[in-house]
Amino acid sequence: EIVLTQSPATLSLSPGERATLSCWASQSISSYLAWYQERPGQAPRLLIYDASSRATGIPDRFSASGSGTDFTLTISRLEPEDFAVYYCQQYSSLSPLTFGGGTKVEIK
Amino acid sequence: EVQLVQSGAEVKKSGESLRISCKAYGYSFSSYWIGWVRQMPGKGLDWMGIIYPGDSDTRYSPSFQGQVTISADTSTGTAYLRWSSLKASDTAMYYCARISVSLAWLTGEWYFDFWGQGTLVTVSS
Repeated sequence: EIVLTQSPATLSLSPGERATLSCWASQSISSYLAWYQERPGQAPRLLIYDASSRATGIPDRFSASGSGTDFTLTISRLEPEDFAVYYCQQYSSLSPLTFGGGTKVEIK
Repeated sequence: EVQLVQSGAEVKKSGESLRISCKAYGYSFSSYWIGWVRQMPGKGLDWMGIIYPGDSDTRYSPSFQGQVTISADTSTGTAYLRWSSLKASDTAMYYCARISVSLAWLTGEWYFDFWGQGTLVTVSS
């Protein structure tokens, strides 16, 4: 099983600041990585797929990079609606698909 | 517009059976894999399994193999998640979600683009 480790567990920032979230894979997953945002009381929403491609309707303040085992999601300027939990998911292996433990971005 | 609409919250007792549903709108249900994801209270996301409604090909996470049954009815555009004997540890929010790429089996792009609103299952002992 491919294990994804997200860091930090919690990020305390102010609106307008830059957020940098990390996701590490226990083995190479090429670019088979997605990022999701989960707002309180809502279902997860796809932000990024194939490690760096923004999903439809996602603002360009969200960007992502990485390949192999190290991945990063960056939010350039935090808006109030961006305070949420973010998950990475690998799809290099279907045995099984796995998610990271999540990073909570909270208001400082 | 693609939408996944899940059945309502359930409160059950240990040992009871349960089936929850996820009805798809706005796309060709038979042509896209659809999966289930568990979220236990205060925890992260756990992938349970996926099904291709067109031929009922089903893949399970090893953690959930034998614990649940995933099925789909193409006549109604509905996917199901079933337990034959619930445990208190099954208490969680359950999401259905669509695999984005219809040819995911070919491209390996197993990520989820549309999600249902979630079904909260509470199991008391």
